[in-house]
Amino acid sequence: EAGVAQSPRYKIIEKRQSVAFWCNPISGHATLYWYQQILGQGPKLLIQFQNNGVVDDSQLPKDRFSAERLKGVDSTLKIQPAKLEDSAVYLCASSTGVIGGYTFGSGTRLTVV
Amino acid sequence: AQSVTQLDSQVPVFEEAPVELRCNYSSSVSVYLFWYVQYPNQGLQLLLKYLSGSTLVKGINGFEAEFNKSQTSFHLRKPSVHISDTAEYFCAVDGIGGYQKVTFGTGTKLQVIP
Repeated sequence: EAGVAQSPRYKIIEKRQSVAFWCNPISGHATLYWYQQILGQGPKLLIQFQNNGVVDDSQLPKDRFSAERLKGVDSTLKIQPAKLEDSAVYLCASSTGVIGGYTFGSGTRLTVV
Repeated sequence: AQSVTQLDSQVPVFEEAPVELRCNYSSSVSVYLFWYVQYPNQGLQLLLKYLSGSTLVKGINGFEAEFNKSQTSFHLRKPSVHISDTAEYFCAVDGIGGYQKVTFGTGTKLQVIP
């Protein structure tokens, strides 16, 4: 079974620029999550999709972050404009809905300078 | 609302010694509990999970954890660590009911000393 694919692995941008991350979940996984992991902290949920609908985006900074999951498969997370404090690893995970059945991707490490 | 506290940010331990990584949680509802491991530059991998039943849960790589409801704890243990266990470990909780949503602790870095 292929894992959760994320790209790019690394990204360096200047503040106020825009950036987008891509995630391809495991085939058949209805639930998709985006987490932000700042250095020294645990992952924080940004947004959760069930198929192509948003279940929870209460911690997504909507003034600059946006996410979509077209056709209930791939997802993109965008930051526009980026701030220094957005430097973090952005993790995508998918799930069948079975408790504890998360599978994480390797993440995208974003550095904002 | 739910939260997880991992009091130890770093735990150094000699190779072949036992280790315990502490985790306490808070939730207004019953919970499922998890431990994840993160190796450098990699995503999180599930070590073990407690859903119900026996409070002692065995996971991969020789790790186990014990759920203690009265103390709201879910400590992770291994009787003899290896160099390859050097990684960051995250405790996590999911409240029962509603959509599956996992909340993570801040992590504990386990450093195994040869």
